[in-house]
Amino acid sequence: DAGVIQSPRHEVTEMGQEVTLRCKPISGHDYLFWYRQTMMRGLELLIYFNNNVPIDDSGMPEDRFSAKMPNASFSTLKIQPSEPRDSAVYFCASVITGRPNYGYTFGSGTRLTVV
Amino acid sequence: SQELEQSPQSLIVQEGKNLTINCTSSKTLYGLYWYKQKYGEGLIFLMMLQKGGEEKSHEKITAKLDEKKQQSSLHITASQPSHAGIYLCGAHSGSNYKLTFGKGTLLTVNP
Repeated sequence: DAGVIQSPRHEVTEMGQEVTLRCKPISGHDYLFWYRQTMMRGLELLIYFNNNVPIDDSGMPEDRFSAKMPNASFSTLKIQPSEPRDSAVYFCASVITGRPNYGYTFGSGTRLTVV
Repeated sequence: SQELEQSPQSLIVQEGKNLTINCTSSKTLYGLYWYKQKYGEGLIFLMMLQKGGEEKSHEKITAKLDEKKQQSSLHITASQPSHAGIYLCGAHSGSNYKLTFGKGTLLTVNP
């Protein structure tokens, strides 16, 4: 398996623009997570899905952030409008029910810079 | 929500030395995960502990879980430059799969 695939790897955008981050989980994994990592706040859980349904979005910072999972093999995290404080590395991770001991698999991340 | 505190925040050791990183939870632990991260890269899964007293090893890295103290420790024996990176502990409480992380420990190993 190719693992969790995220795109793009790097994104530089201007303040006010819309940004869309993409994630393809491992086939068969029924949980998908979006995290944000910064030096100041560490690795924060933004939202997670189970069987494509959002379970907990309490970590989403504000209404500018939205996430969708239209099918089992694809998820997006959208920021509209983007702000400089959104600059961070965004990770996607997936895991399969009943096999948490195998670990949650993380993608390589998307480094977002908002100027 | 569950909070995880890691100590120390950073650590510099000489190659060959042993070291320990701790992770303490504010709530009962149902699953404790250790990950390693190289700068600019994703997280690599090291091991997961579930039961009190459980101990697992991955190469020269050993982790233990103390259920009563709600704490886990990660021990590296005879450290090497390849061990350098950020070590993160993560945990979920209860039967849900919501995984949250500590702030991480930055390990530097000098040759």
